[in-house]
Amino acid sequence: DIQMTQSPSTLSASVGDRVTITCRASQSITSWLAWYQQKPGKAPKLLIYKASSLESGVPSRFSGSGSGTEFTLTISSLQPDDFATYYCQQYNTYWTFGQGTKVEIK
Amino acid sequence: QVQLVESGGGVVQPGRSLRLSCAASGFTFSSSAMHWVRQAPGKGLEWVAVLWYDGSNKHYADSVKGRFTISRDNSKNTLYLQMDNLRAEDTALYYCARPGGSWPAWYFDLWGRGTLVTVSS
Repeated sequence: DIQMTQSPSTLSASVGDRVTITCRASQSITSWLAWYQQKPGKAPKLLIYKASSLESGVPSRFSGSGSGTEFTLTISSLQPDDFATYYCQQYNTYWTFGQGTKVEIK
Repeated sequence: QVQLVESGGGVVQPGRSLRLSCAASGFTFSSSAMHWVRQAPGKGLEWVAVLWYDGSNKHYADSVKGRFTISRDNSKNTLYLQMDNLRAEDTALYYCARPGGSWPAWYFDLWGRGTLVTVSS
């Protein structure tokens, strides 16, 4: 099984900050990686697929990069609506999620 | 509009069964594979099962294999998850999700709001 490890688990930041979340795969997944945002009581929302492709309707302050085993999600200027938990997911071999990164208000 | 609506959750004793449903609308359900994903309270996301658009192929997570059965009725635009021999560790919010992209590179581009299953004596 492919394991996904996110860091950090929790991130404290302020509005306007640049935020970066890292996701590492236990083996190469080429670019088959997605990022989701989840707010309390809500379903996950797709942000990024194929490591760096922005889902339609997602603000351009979100971006993804990486390939192989190391990936990042960057929020260029954190907005109040962005405080949430973020999950990476590999879909190279079946489907596995990272444990999540909670972005909280500093 | 395009949506998925889960139902059928509830409180059930260990060892008993429960069947979840997911009603799809706003897209061609019969052309889409479908997944179940779950989230234990306060925990992360865990993929559970997938079923091909025509029911021809299915896969399960090891944690549910032999106990859960995924199925669909394309005439009713509905996905099901039959859960047998339930355990406390199956307690979770169960989401159905539609894959985006092309097989085998499926991510999840549409999610329902989930239905809560609690396994407790």
